[in-house]
Amino acid sequence: EAGVAQSPRYKIIEKRQSVAFWCNPISGHATLYWYQQILGQGPKLLIQFQNNGVVDDSQLPKDRFSAERLKGVDSTLKIQPAKLEDSAVYLCASSFGSKGTDTQYFGPGTRLTVL
Amino acid sequence: AQKITQTQPGMFVQEKEAVTLDCTYDTSDPSYGLFWYKQPSSGEMIFLIYQGSYDQQNATEGRYSLNFQKARKSANLVISASQLGDSAMYFCAMREGDGGFQKLVFGTGTRLLVSP
Repeated sequence: EAGVAQSPRYKIIEKRQSVAFWCNPISGHATLYWYQQILGQGPKLLIQFQNNGVVDDSQLPKDRFSAERLKGVDSTLKIQPAKLEDSAVYLCASSFGSKGTDTQYFGPGTRLTVL
Repeated sequence: AQKITQTQPGMFVQEKEAVTLDCTYDTSDPSYGLFWYKQPSSGEMIFLIYQGSYDQQNATEGRYSLNFQKARKSANLVISASQLGDSAMYFCAMREGDGGFQKLVFGTGTRLLVSP
């Protein structure tokens, strides 16, 4: 079974530029998550989708970050304009459901460097 | 208060020995799940083991076992017979509630180095 796919793996941009990340979850997984992991810290949830609806975006900086999951499968996360403090690894994860017992499976991440 | 606390920034162990990575948690919800993930230098978070708050037995998955002490609110990961490939960051995480849409909250991680 294929795992969670993400692209690109690495991205370097200058501040104030825009960037987009793509995620394809495990087939059949209804719940999709985007996390931000700053160096030396654990991942922090940015947004959670159930099918194509947002169920939690309380920690998403909505003035610059946006995300969508059209048709309830693939998802894109966009940053516009990027700031220096957005340098981090962006991890996508998926799970079959959203109960406390549902395991989240992660993709390889996108390492973003903002100069 | 921190939901998940990992007090060991780094741990060293020799190959073939066992090692325990500490994790304590804070919740008032009777229903919760505890997870351990491994993150090698490649960056991917790899699921290792899960323990539910109502599980009577400690979880085990191959060389990984979880020492779950509910009264002390600890969920330590035990890796037996360490291998060089076990060198990585290890994260403990918790998800509270069983009603759905609950966040997975991570600790700050422990870096494990396995030496030959």
